[in-house]
Amino acid sequence: ETGVTQSPTHLIKTRGQQVTLRCSSQSGHNTVSWYQQALGQGPQFIFQYYREEENGRGNFPPRFSGLQFPNYSSELNVNALELDDSALYLCASSSTGNEQYFGPGTRLTVT
Amino acid sequence: AQTVTQSQPEMSVQEAETVTLSCTYDTSESNYYLFWYKQPPSRQMILVIRQEAYKQQNATENRFSVNFQKAAKSFSLKISDSQLGDTAMYFCAFMKDFTGANSKLTFGKGITLSVRP
Repeated sequence: ETGVTQSPTHLIKTRGQQVTLRCSSQSGHNTVSWYQQALGQGPQFIFQYYREEENGRGNFPPRFSGLQFPNYSSELNVNALELDDSALYLCASSSTGNEQYFGPGTRLTVT
Repeated sequence: AQTVTQSQPEMSVQEAETVTLSCTYDTSESNYYLFWYKQPPSRQMILVIRQEAYKQQNATENRFSVNFQKAAKSFSLKISDSQLGDTAMYFCAFMKDFTGANSKLTFGKGITLSVRP
């Protein structure tokens, strides 16, 4: 059974740029949730995708958007990057009614 | 909205000893789920233990157990026989239920646990 994977591991972007982060869900999982974890803080819920539809959103602006594909993998897109977007981005996959399993995260640095 | 509070930023324990990590939460829900997650330096968040609010019995997983006090909205984690591999950040998390957007996790700020050899 393959676990949750994320790519890239880390990246550096400039303020104003756009970024795409990727997540492959664990085999058999149909739901992907994205979280932002600022340094020294707990993760904050961004949004969740279930069967290719957004299924709930946290307190994040519209420049944070996502996609889920038929194979249940997912992308997180962030436009017009700001310095405060620097964080660890975690995705978690789950099947209906079960716990979330997290990937190793993507470390984003905005300069 | 739910809130989760972890007021201890750091703790340290000697190997083989027992340590308790504290967590309080606030919710108006009567049924919900609580979790402890571990995040080692590798960054991958790992589920340690889960507690259903409707269950009076405290959850136990090997060396890990919880003290769930529903009326006090308290959910502490006890680690027995601490091992060097327990060194990590520990997060307490709340979830309303497993349906749709209710399955989002609300995390506390975390506590850094160091196990000394």
